[in-house]
Amino acid sequence: KNEVEQSPQNLTAQEGEFITINCSYSVGISALHWLQQHPGGGIVSLFMLSSGKKKHGRLIATINIQEKHSSLHITASHPRDSAVYICAVPNGGGNKLVFGAGTILRVKS
Amino acid sequence: NAGVTQTPKFQVLKTGQSMTLQCAQDMNHEYMSWYRQDPGMGLRLIHYSVGAGITDQGEVPNGYNVSRSTTEDFPLRLLSAAPSQTSVYFCASSPGPTSYEQYFGPGTRLTVT
Repeated sequence: KNEVEQSPQNLTAQEGEFITINCSYSVGISALHWLQQHPGGGIVSLFMLSSGKKKHGRLIATINIQEKHSSLHITASHPRDSAVYICAVPNGGGNKLVFGAGTILRVKS
Repeated sequence: NAGVTQTPKFQVLKTGQSMTLQCAQDMNHEYMSWYRQDPGMGLRLIHYSVGAGITDQGEVPNGYNVSRSTTEDFPLRLLSAAPSQTSVYFCASSPGPTSYEQYFGPGTRLTVT
Protein backbone atom coordinates (compact mmCIF):
# COMPACT_ATOMS: atom_id res chain seq x y z
CA LYS A 1 0.00 0.00 0.00
CA ASN A 2 1.33 3.40 -0.90
CA GLU A 3 1.63 5.82 1.99
CA VAL A 4 1.35 9.56 1.43
CA GLU A 5 2.68 12.19 3.81
CA GLN A 6 2.04 15.90 3.40
CA SER A 7 3.72 18.76 5.18
CA PRO A 8 3.00 21.08 6.72
CA GLN A 9 -0.45 20.18 8.03
CA ASN A 10 -1.33 23.85 8.55
CA LEU A 11 0.21 26.92 6.98
CA THR A 12 -0.57 30.60 7.52
CA ALA A 13 1.02 33.12 5.19
CA GLN A 14 0.87 36.82 4.51
CA GLU A 15 -0.42 37.97 1.16
CA GLY A 16 2.41 38.03 -1.36
CA GLU A 17 4.51 35.33 0.27
CA PHE A 18 5.97 32.36 -1.62
CA ILE A 19 4.43 29.12 -0.36
CA THR A 20 5.67 25.55 -0.57
CA ILE A 21 3.67 22.43 0.29
CA ASN A 22 5.38 19.06 0.26
CA CYS A 23 4.22 15.54 -0.51
CA SER A 24 6.17 12.31 -0.03
CA TYR A 25 5.09 8.81 -0.96
CA SER A 26 6.51 5.37 -0.32
CA VAL A 27 6.02 3.32 -3.51
CA GLY A 28 7.04 4.19 -7.06
CA ILE A 29 4.23 5.73 -9.12
CA SER A 30 3.24 6.62 -12.67
CA ALA A 31 1.66 9.97 -11.80
CA LEU A 32 0.88 12.25 -8.88
CA HIS A 33 -2.13 14.50 -8.45
CA TRP A 34 -2.44 17.86 -6.71
CA LEU A 35 -5.97 18.86 -5.79
CA GLN A 36 -7.51 21.93 -4.20
CA GLN A 37 -10.49 21.86 -1.84
CA HIS A 38 -12.12 25.22 -1.15
CA PRO A 39 -13.93 26.08 2.08
CA GLY A 40 -17.23 25.30 0.33
CA GLY A 41 -16.02 21.72 0.00
CA GLY A 42 -15.65 21.30 -3.75
CA ILE A 43 -12.51 19.52 -4.99
CA VAL A 44 -10.77 20.48 -8.22
CA SER A 45 -7.76 19.00 -9.91
CA LEU A 46 -4.79 21.37 -10.14
CA PHE A 47 -2.09 19.20 -11.64
CA MET A 48 -1.36 15.68 -12.70
CA LEU A 49 2.33 15.10 -13.28
CA SER A 50 4.67 12.20 -13.81
CA SER A 51 8.01 14.00 -14.16
CA GLY A 52 9.65 17.40 -13.99
CA LYS A 53 7.60 20.52 -13.49
CA LYS A 54 4.24 22.00 -14.47
CA LYS A 55 3.08 25.60 -14.16
CA HIS A 56 -0.38 27.11 -14.22
CA GLY A 57 -0.58 30.79 -13.43
CA ARG A 58 0.96 31.33 -9.99
CA LEU A 59 1.00 27.62 -9.19
CA ILE A 60 3.98 25.40 -9.88
CA ALA A 61 4.21 21.67 -9.20
CA THR A 62 7.43 19.68 -9.27
CA ILE A 63 8.14 16.02 -8.81
CA ASN A 64 11.31 14.02 -8.15
CA ILE A 65 10.54 10.43 -9.01
CA GLN A 66 13.80 9.05 -7.58
CA GLU A 67 13.28 10.75 -4.22
CA LYS A 68 9.50 10.01 -4.22
CA HIS A 69 8.72 13.62 -3.47
CA SER A 70 6.63 16.38 -4.95
CA SER A 71 6.17 20.04 -4.10
CA LEU A 72 3.44 22.53 -4.83
CA HIS A 73 4.53 26.16 -4.91
CA ILE A 74 2.34 29.25 -4.91
CA THR A 75 4.01 32.50 -5.92
CA ALA A 76 2.66 35.89 -4.80
CA SER A 77 0.04 34.25 -2.59
CA HIS A 78 -3.41 35.81 -2.27
CA PRO A 79 -6.25 35.34 0.23
CA ARG A 80 -8.24 33.55 -2.47
CA ASP A 81 -5.56 30.82 -2.41
CA SER A 82 -6.82 29.87 1.07
CA ALA A 83 -7.91 26.24 0.74
CA VAL A 84 -6.89 22.69 1.53
CA TYR A 85 -4.28 21.29 -0.85
CA ILE A 86 -4.23 17.54 -1.28
CA CYS A 87 -1.82 15.23 -3.06
CA ALA A 88 -2.77 11.77 -4.28
CA VAL A 89 -0.90 8.86 -5.84
CA PRO A 90 -1.91 5.53 -7.41
CA ASN A 91 -2.26 2.63 -5.02
CA GLY A 92 -2.21 -0.58 -6.99
CA GLY A 93 -4.17 -1.38 -10.11
CA GLY A 94 -7.59 -0.35 -11.27
CA ASN A 95 -8.57 3.18 -10.33
CA LYS A 96 -7.21 3.27 -6.80
CA LEU A 97 -5.76 6.49 -5.48
CA VAL A 98 -4.47 7.11 -1.98
CA PHE A 99 -4.65 10.64 -0.65
CA GLY A 100 -2.63 12.68 1.76
CA ALA A 101 -4.45 14.23 4.72
CA GLY A 102 -4.15 17.66 3.15
CA THR A 103 -2.45 20.96 3.97
CA ILE A 104 -4.72 23.71 5.24
CA LEU A 105 -3.49 27.01 3.82
CA ARG A 106 -4.66 30.38 5.07
CA VAL A 107 -3.38 33.52 3.37
CA LYS A 108 -3.96 36.73 5.31
CA SER A 109 -4.27 40.14 3.69
CA ASN B 1 -21.56 19.83 -19.57
CA ALA B 2 -22.77 19.52 -15.99
CA GLY B 3 -19.68 17.46 -15.11
CA VAL B 4 -20.17 15.21 -12.08
CA THR B 5 -23.40 15.70 -10.16
CA GLN B 6 -24.36 14.25 -6.79
CA THR B 7 -27.66 14.16 -4.95
CA PRO B 8 -28.63 14.88 -2.27
CA LYS B 9 -26.29 17.59 -0.94
CA PHE B 10 -27.27 16.87 2.65
CA GLN B 11 -28.94 13.90 4.32
CA VAL B 12 -29.74 12.86 7.87
CA LEU B 13 -30.49 9.20 8.54
CA LYS B 14 -31.38 7.21 11.60
CA THR B 15 -29.29 4.17 12.48
CA GLY B 16 -30.48 1.17 10.49
CA GLN B 17 -32.05 3.11 7.65
CA SER B 18 -30.95 2.54 4.09
CA MET B 19 -30.47 5.03 1.31
CA THR B 20 -28.83 5.59 -2.06
CA LEU B 21 -26.44 8.42 -2.89
CA GLN B 22 -26.71 9.30 -6.54
CA CYS B 23 -23.80 10.16 -8.82
CA ALA B 24 -23.94 10.95 -12.53
CA GLN B 25 -21.46 12.26 -15.09
CA ASP B 26 -22.02 13.47 -18.63
CA MET B 27 -18.43 13.29 -19.87
CA ASN B 28 -18.58 9.67 -21.06
CA HIS B 29 -15.92 8.69 -18.54
CA GLU B 30 -15.29 4.98 -18.04
CA TYR B 31 -13.78 5.30 -14.57
CA MET B 32 -15.86 6.32 -11.55
CA SER B 33 -15.14 6.18 -7.83
CA TRP B 34 -16.74 6.85 -4.47
CA TYR B 35 -14.73 8.35 -1.60
CA ARG B 36 -15.49 9.33 1.94
CA GLN B 37 -13.79 12.24 3.70
CA ASP B 38 -13.51 12.35 7.48
CA PRO B 39 -11.91 15.09 9.60
CA GLY B 40 -8.14 14.78 9.83
CA MET B 41 -8.02 11.96 7.31
CA GLY B 42 -7.43 11.87 3.60
CA LEU B 43 -10.09 10.84 1.16
CA ARG B 44 -10.58 7.09 1.28
CA LEU B 45 -11.76 4.95 -1.60
CA ILE B 46 -14.99 3.02 -0.97
CA HIS B 47 -15.73 1.41 -4.35
CA TYR B 48 -14.75 2.07 -7.91
CA SER B 49 -15.76 1.08 -11.43
CA VAL B 50 -13.72 0.80 -14.61
CA GLY B 51 -16.75 0.61 -16.90
CA ALA B 52 -20.40 -0.32 -17.08
CA GLY B 53 -20.99 -3.64 -15.36
CA ILE B 54 -17.59 -3.67 -13.64
CA THR B 55 -17.08 -2.65 -10.01
CA ASP B 56 -14.49 -3.40 -7.36
CA GLN B 57 -13.84 -2.68 -3.72
CA GLY B 58 -11.62 0.05 -2.44
CA GLU B 59 -10.09 0.61 0.96
CA VAL B 60 -13.27 0.89 3.06
CA PRO B 61 -16.10 -1.02 1.31
CA ASN B 62 -17.93 -2.52 4.29
CA GLY B 63 -21.52 -1.35 4.65
CA TYR B 64 -21.73 -0.01 1.09
CA ASN B 65 -22.89 -1.48 -2.22
CA VAL B 66 -22.47 -0.16 -5.74
CA SER B 67 -23.61 -1.06 -9.23
CA ARG B 68 -22.83 0.40 -12.66
CA SER B 69 -25.56 -0.38 -15.14
CA THR B 70 -24.76 2.61 -17.39
CA THR B 71 -21.64 4.65 -18.15
CA GLU B 72 -23.30 7.77 -16.72
CA ASP B 73 -24.53 6.59 -13.30
CA PHE B 74 -22.76 5.12 -10.28
CA PRO B 75 -25.03 5.01 -7.22
CA LEU B 76 -23.75 4.19 -3.73
CA ARG B 77 -26.09 2.30 -1.42
CA LEU B 78 -25.90 2.30 2.34
CA LEU B 79 -27.52 -0.94 3.42
CA SER B 80 -28.08 -0.25 7.12
CA ALA B 81 -26.70 3.12 8.17
CA ALA B 82 -24.43 3.35 11.21
CA PRO B 83 -23.10 6.44 13.02
CA SER B 84 -19.60 5.48 11.75
CA GLN B 85 -20.83 6.26 8.25
CA THR B 86 -21.32 9.92 9.12
CA SER B 87 -19.03 11.58 6.61
CA VAL B 88 -18.82 13.64 3.45
CA TYR B 89 -19.07 11.50 0.34
CA PHE B 90 -17.50 12.42 -2.99
CA CYS B 91 -18.02 10.82 -6.35
CA ALA B 92 -15.34 11.22 -9.00
CA SER B 93 -14.89 10.27 -12.62
CA SER B 94 -11.98 10.17 -15.06
CA PRO B 95 -11.46 9.19 -18.70
CA GLY B 96 -8.82 6.65 -17.67
CA PRO B 97 -7.15 5.15 -14.61
CA THR B 98 -5.07 6.90 -12.02
CA SER B 99 -2.75 8.72 -14.43
CA TYR B 100 -5.67 10.73 -15.79
CA GLU B 101 -7.23 13.90 -14.41
CA GLN B 102 -9.92 13.25 -11.82
CA TYR B 103 -13.22 15.17 -11.80
CA PHE B 104 -15.07 15.40 -8.50
CA GLY B 105 -18.72 15.96 -7.67
CA PRO B 106 -19.76 18.58 -5.09
CA GLY B 107 -20.15 16.05 -2.28
CA THR B 108 -22.95 14.75 -0.06
CA ARG B 109 -22.81 15.47 3.67
CA LEU B 110 -24.38 12.52 5.51
CA THR B 111 -25.18 12.41 9.20
CA VAL B 112 -26.32 9.18 10.84
CA THR B 113 -27.91 9.58 14.27
